[in-house]
Parts: sequence; C-alpha cells; structure tokens
Amino acid sequence: DVKVTQSSRYLVKRTGEKVFLECVQDMDHENMFWYRQDPGLGLRLIYFSYDVKMKEKGDIPEGYSVSREKKERFSLILESASTNQTSMYLCASLGTAHQPQHFGDGTRLSIL
Amino acid sequence: AQSVTQLGSHVSVSEGALVLLRCNYSSSVPPYLFWYVQYPNQGLQLLLKYTSAATLVKGINGFEAEFKKSETSFHLTKPSAHMSDAAEYFCAVSDRPGGSYIPTFGRGTSLIVHP
Repeated sequence: DVKVTQSSRYLVKRTGEKVFLECVQDMDHENMFWYRQDPGLGLRLIYFSYDVKMKEKGDIPEGYSVSREKKERFSLILESASTNQTSMYLCASLGTAHQPQHFGDGTRLSIL
Repeated sequence: AQSVTQLGSHVSVSEGALVLLRCNYSSSVPPYLFWYVQYPNQGLQLLLKYTSAATLVKGINGFEAEFKKSETSFHLTKPSAHMSDAAEYFCAVSDRPGGSYIPTFGRGTSLIVHP
C-alpha cells in the first residue's frame, strides 16, 4: 500500500521564520504535489514536481518554494512565514494520470 | 482546461437517509474522475474512481457514483447514511493523455449526518 508521510502533524512558527515541510513517499512515483487547504476554498495547488529537480508552479506559488533532490522526497519551504500562510498543508503523490493521488495526513501549520 | 463544481458546500441528512453529493465537471477530453473522502484531521482517501470501464462505479463504504457524459456529471450516492459517513467529500477530474494530468479538485462538500 502506498504511504505518503508528512514529517509533522502540527507545527507552530513565528512570522519571518523560514519553515520547512517535508514529505516522503514510498512508491517510486514520479509526481508529487503540495496543496494548501482552507475552509470554503478546497484544495489549492501550490507546486508540483514531475521528476527529480523538476518543479512547476501551481495556482498559488507566491511566498513558497520547493525542493526535490531525491525522487521520494518533496519539501515545501516558506521563505519568510506570514500569518496568512496559516493553513492545512497536504502532500500527495501520483504515479500516472489514470491512477488516484495518494495523500499524507497533512500538516496543520500556525504562524503567530 | 478542466474544472469541477460541487453543488452545496454543506449537505445535511438524517441517519438512514439517502446521500446525494453532486459533482459536475468540464474537460476538453474524456476525463478520469475521482471521489475522495477526508475525515477530520486526516488526508484524503480514495472512495472510487471512473476510468471508462463502466459508467456506474462502486466504491468503499457503500458509496457509488454514476458517470453521465451528456450531463457532464459524476454524482456520489449512498442509499443509507451512517453517522460514520460524516466527513468532507471532494470530487476531482484529470484529463486523459492530450489534456492535463494534474487533477483539479472541487471545493468540497461537508456531509453532516443527524441521528
């Protein structure tokens, strides 16, 4: 069974801090995604990666960057955290288009 | 470009009643369609998927969905709601080759089940 593991379930940081959210998948999937989820707005795609060292902006990339140095790991970076980045962050992996995505349990991030 | 519309951000039913969650999509090519469920403080889990084998798709926990091309719909149903079905439900679409493989999600529908 595919496992997507996010490093933290809950995280509290201060404004201006650099924040790293880590995600690891164990199914050798090429594609990995970072979403943020806010009430009433559903899932919004921040960045995705279709291969090692390859990344593409999603719908809301501003204030975020990503890193994919190894196939199994996809990191989301908040360069200088702000209170409007308080949210639930979900990581997902995908093998091919006709397959469903596999999601981690999410990281609930609070920026104070 | 693909898009997904879920009608109703909240749906409230009584335990034992029919559950109907609506999803309409637009896609430039025949789509792959998915329903996911999210329980509180968890990630999304796959309920069912449509990939063209059959228009009526059965999923886990007694849910099923019917693909209607003429209506561009993929509504989710369950004959009898259970308290444990209370969760957030998301419909998603991704295109076949020739379109975008990046899934697009609806905004979600929160299912509330009353005793």
